Amino acid sequence: NAGVTQTPKFQVLKTGQSMTLQCAQDMNHNSMYWYRQDPGMGLRLIYYSASEGTTDKGEVPNGYNVSRLNKREFSLRLESAAPSQTSVYFCASSGLLQTGEQYFGPGTRLTVT
Amino acid sequence: AQSVTQLDSQVPVFEEAPVELRCNYSSSVSVYLFWYVQYPNQGLQLLLKYLSGSTLVKGINGFEAEFNKSQTSFHLRKPSVHISDTAEYFCAGSGDSSYKLIFGSGTRLLVRP
Repeated sequence: NAGVTQTPKFQVLKTGQSMTLQCAQDMNHNSMYWYRQDPGMGLRLIYYSASEGTTDKGEVPNGYNVSRLNKREFSLRLESAAPSQTSVYFCASSGLLQTGEQYFGPGTRLTVT
Repeated sequence: AQSVTQLDSQVPVFEEAPVELRCNYSSSVSVYLFWYVQYPNQGLQLLLKYLSGSTLVKGINGFEAEFNKSQTSFHLRKPSVHISDTAEYFCAGSGDSSYKLIFGSGTRLLVRP
């Protein structure tokens, strides 16, 4: 039982390049989330998927797109990377809708030059 | 507006001393509250949670937190810290939807020998 896995762990992009961050969970959770973490700002929600087949914007969705590929997988795409998107990205999942308890992956450290 | 406020960005403390990390939540945030810990270069790990019942909640690694509805607080405490407790700690609460968590900005606990 690996929990929540993310790939890649590290990535360096040039401005304007695109990439997709992958996330998978093996806990049979319905809900999945993408956050970014920046110093002094805690975690900010980018997008979430309450259940398979649905996605919704979070607090900071601009410049990102997501795909809920199936119940296990939720990917985050940067179509044209900008230096402001340099951050650590975390994926999380939740199976307890009433309480919102979430389980996190190890993160992807992205640098855009 | 829904918010979770962590009053201290950094808390330095000597090894074996007690520590309290403060967290206040807005009354519009659900009463489901969590503390997460993030060790360097890792994802977030659930430390403890308050869902209902006893207002004193015990978590992993000897931490505990007390839910205080009248003061809208959920402070985290440990009677004697270890060097290995050095990490960033996040308080979080369920928002207007059980799908989403509202995070505080984090408190860095620095334990000195």
